[in-house]
This record gives sequence, structure tokens and C-alpha cells, in this order.
Amino acid sequence: AQSVTQLGSHVSVSEGALVLLRCNYSSSVPPYLFWYVQYPNQGLQLLLKYTSAATLVKGINGFEAEFKKSETSFHLTKPSAHMSDAAEYFCAVSLTGNQFYFGTGTSLTVIP
Amino acid sequence: DAMVIQNPRYQVTQFGKPVTLSCSQTLNHNVMYWYQQKSSQAPKLLFHYYDKDFNNEADTPDNFQSRRPNTSFCFLDIRSPGLGDAAMYLCATSPWGGTHSNQPQHFGDGTRLSIL
Repeated sequence: AQSVTQLGSHVSVSEGALVLLRCNYSSSVPPYLFWYVQYPNQGLQLLLKYTSAATLVKGINGFEAEFKKSETSFHLTKPSAHMSDAAEYFCAVSLTGNQFYFGTGTSLTVIP
Repeated sequence: DAMVIQNPRYQVTQFGKPVTLSCSQTLNHNVMYWYQQKSSQAPKLLFHYYDKDFNNEADTPDNFQSRRPNTSFCFLDIRSPGLGDAAMYLCATSPWGGTHSNQPQHFGDGTRLSIL
């Protein structure tokens, strides 16, 4: 079965520090992977997606993620955290039939 | 801008009183989804439509129904809401990308449902 695991339900970083949110996938076929961000009382907004064209994917708001097949990982990074990055982040994998499987989410806190 | 719109943003209903949540889209996507999201949890898929073809998740309670009268609109009906149904309900759309799709889902801002 295809799924994703997000390590760390809560991550805190200082403003200006590196953001690293972890996502590992299990897949029997080449996966399509996505990162979404959710701000309080809002829907999910697509940050970036991996579709096998390039292993390093750049997204919106300065985020990027690197697909590493050997590690079955798709970690999300941002070089310098901003207060506005505080939100819930979800990794997702595309299943057959256009269905997504979401990870359990990571809540990012940015400390001033 | 093309988008997914959910109305209302906040809905309060009484225990056992039917409620309908609505979703509209201007993206002309043929797949529409309804998710339930409880506090600090991932969205849970309730059902989805591929055009008019309805697909129910096995563990979606019978209390939840859906209608899609046309491409643009989709409704979530909760026939007899219980306290456990209080949650954020998210609508999403995507274009059909085949049996294994790289198409992202586009989400509305959700409707937060409270049960009195």
C-alpha cells in the first residue's frame, strides 16, 4: 500500500533558521508526491509537487523539496524561516484514481 | 481567478437537524472531492466524483450523502448530524489524470461545522 509518514508532529524553529520538515513514502510504483500548507481556518494550498521531471523541486514562498529514491524521502526545506511560515504542513502521495493519501501533518512554529 | 468556493464558511446546526454544505468551482475540473478534517488531523476523504460517477469511501457513514448536479457544483448533505460530526469540511477538485495521476488537488477554504 502506498502511504506517507511525517516525522515530528510539531517543529519549532527560530525566525531566520533553516526549516526542515520530514516526509517518507512507501510506494510500489514511482510516486507522485505533494506538499501542502494549511493556515488556520483555511483550506490546503499547494506548495510544490514531485512528478519525476526533476529531483529538486522548487515551490512557492521559498520552499523546496528533494526527492531521494534511495531514502524514500521527500523532505521540505526553506533556508530562512519567516513568521508567516507558521502553519500546518501536509505531505501527500497520489494513489490510483486521483486519490490522495495525506500524512498526519506537521505543525510549524516560528519563534521570533 | 479560477477557484474553489465553499459556502458558508461557518455553519452551526442543531443535533439531528439536516444540513447541506455547498462547493462550487470555476476550474472546470471533472473530479470533485469532499474531505472531513478534525482538529489537528489530516483530511479524511469521504467521497469523490469523477464527472457524475460517485465513489464512496468504505468507512464513510451513511449519514453523509452527496450530490453533484453539474460540473460546477457539489453538495454535502448530513442527514442527522451528531456531535462527532463537528469538523472542517473541505472540498477539492482536480482534473482527471488517468489511473495514476500527477495532478494536484485544489482546495476551497472549507466550511467549519458546529453542532449544538
